Amino acid sequence: DVKVTQSSRYLVKRTGEKVFLECVQDMDHENMFWYRQDPGLGLRLIYFSYDVKMKEKGDIPEGYSVSREKKERFSLILESASTNQTSMYLCASSFGPYNRGRGPYTEAFFGQGTRLTVV
Amino acid sequence: KQEVTQIPAALSVPEGENLVLNCSFTDSAIYNLQWFRQDPGKGLTSLLLIQSSQREQTSGRLNASLDKSSGRSTLYIAASQPGDSATYLCAVSQPGTYKYIFGTGTRLKVLA
Repeated sequence: DVKVTQSSRYLVKRTGEKVFLECVQDMDHENMFWYRQDPGLGLRLIYFSYDVKMKEKGDIPEGYSVSREKKERFSLILESASTNQTSMYLCASSFGPYNRGRGPYTEAFFGQGTRLTVV
Repeated sequence: KQEVTQIPAALSVPEGENLVLNCSFTDSAIYNLQWFRQDPGKGLTSLLLIQSSQREQTSGRLNASLDKSSGRSTLYIAASQPGDSATYLCAVSQPGTYKYIFGTGTRLKVLA
């Protein structure tokens, strides 16, 4: 079974802190994603990575950065946490080489989610 | 711009009923459509993936169909159980964007 593991289920951080959310997948997938999920807004893509050290901005990258130093690990970084970043964060991965102009054509697998509260 | 809609937003049914959840999308040029389940406060669990060339997929009590030309997919759940209570999401992938585009979800409650 594909396993996508997020390092924390719940996190509480203070405004202004630098926050790291970690995600690891064990199926040698090329593609990894970070989404956030908010009531009434659904799932919104923050960043996407299609290979080690490669990344693409999603719909809402402001205030976030990412790191992918190893194929299995994709980290989301909140440079200076703010209360409007309180949310559920979901990591996903999928198999398949990425070609610009093409979309993902394989199954996406998600982690268990990290509920982040910024106070 | 692709838009994915799920109706109804919420549904309550008695245990044992067969039910259908709906997913509509505006652009039929998709690679695939995937159905997920999400329990409260948790991540998404993949249920079924239908490639654009397929008409349906089955897994246990679940059957998903796809009609690309009309921009619709349905998830059929047979003999519903209280354990099926969750939010069900559909998502499409398509050329020109690397992201999966999600619907707004249907919150299902199966009453014992």
